Amino acid sequence: QKEVEQDPGPLSVPEGAIVSLNCTYSNSAFQYFMWYRQYSRKGPELLMYTYSSGNKEDGRFTAQVDKSSKYISLFIRDSQPSDSATYLCAMSASGSARQLTFGSGTQLTVLP
Amino acid sequence: ETGVTQSPTHLIKTRGQQVTLRCSSQSGHNTVSWYQQALGQGPQFIFQYYREEENGRGNFPPRFSGLQFPNYSSELNVNALELDDSALYLCASSTGRDNSYNSPLHFGNGTRLTVT
Repeated sequence: QKEVEQDPGPLSVPEGAIVSLNCTYSNSAFQYFMWYRQYSRKGPELLMYTYSSGNKEDGRFTAQVDKSSKYISLFIRDSQPSDSATYLCAMSASGSARQLTFGSGTQLTVLP
Repeated sequence: ETGVTQSPTHLIKTRGQQVTLRCSSQSGHNTVSWYQQALGQGPQFIFQYYREEENGRGNFPPRFSGLQFPNYSSELNVNALELDDSALYLCASSTGRDNSYNSPLHFGNGTRLTVT
């Protein structure tokens, strides 16, 4: 079993839809939780960064962390065709240098 | 402020050869990490350098090695290439050795290595 599980999709939604992306994990030491967006032929770009449990909102993006369930989510409101990319969740334990453990990524397509 | 830059963008090597990949960190960043991303997978941590010393390593064999220079640029070296080494190699930089909410990793666009 992988430490971080992420539904690979692909996920296809119409423009304007609300998108929900999720990851589950098994390592209770994880304290830092991130979402990265990766366009084709590009490196991952940081979208959201949260520490421990709770919610964080940034524009159309909301990240949620539920450590009791070992479950994290990213919501995208009013999705746009430019949101079409692969979304990677990543997490790290405190004091573990910057060793991020990534999910396998969810490929999202927003149709105009 | 310049971002993380990597060179070359693409590379084709033969099994058994050696390869060196290069990375220039984002200005002001003193920590560099390297990741391997196989097709359709998330990146996997190879190792991290902080102030020219390796201070974290993932589950990769010793034939994967690296260097960080005084200007904080970095190299990833892979010896005795195997077909499974074909992947996108990502460099990421940040400030500080440990995780920090105020200084997350910033990735370059990677080097696509193909081993035939």
